[in-house]
Amino acid sequence: GQNIDQPTEMTATEGAIVQINCTYQTSGFNGLFWYQQHAGEAPTFLSYNVLDGLEEKGRFSSFLSRSKGYSYLLLKELQMKDSASYLCAVTDSNYQLIWGAGTKLIIKP
Amino acid sequence: ETGVTQTPRHLVMGMTNKKSLKCEQHLGHNAMYWYKQSAKKPLELMFVYNFKEQTENNSVPSRFSPECPNSSHLFLHLHTLQPEDSALYLCASSQELGGTDTQYFGPGTRLTVL
Repeated sequence: GQNIDQPTEMTATEGAIVQINCTYQTSGFNGLFWYQQHAGEAPTFLSYNVLDGLEEKGRFSSFLSRSKGYSYLLLKELQMKDSASYLCAVTDSNYQLIWGAGTKLIIKP
Repeated sequence: ETGVTQTPRHLVMGMTNKKSLKCEQHLGHNAMYWYKQSAKKPLELMFVYNFKEQTENNSVPSRFSPECPNSSHLFLHLHTLQPEDSALYLCASSQELGGTDTQYFGPGTRLTVL
């Protein structure tokens, strides 16, 4: 079966750095997405990785290792508004999007 | 503002009611999706439309009936629902069909079935 694993919940301190991991077992790979979802709101696109390596976008970075079936989202200089759920999703060989259950990130002052 | 709107934002209905959820995208996209989001579970893809033609129905019970009159509008008609259908229903759109295009989501309809 196809599976995406992410931690259910993480807690971090304002101003700090946090890394949210995502591991996947899918039939093929055609890209990996990260989305942010604030409570009661729409998921919004953060990043898309299809090649190995680190993609940096402001305070957020996303890393991919296809050989390890692994990605992480790195959030720097955490702000209270970063409290949200972070969803990892992988496109498989049939171009179907497989979703993880999301990681709820709690930021404390 | 994501360009995808959904109404209503909240809905409470009894098991014998009939209601409809509406989604509209203002992005000029060709593909539209209905998802079900339950607490601590992955998004469940329900239906996919491409150029207003249904391309996917992921074994969804017939008490959920989609309708796509044009590429900008998507409806989900609900009837004789069960309490376990209570969830957040999200609509999304993408420029093209296929899992490599970014999907843009609406804010969802929070559905409670009594």
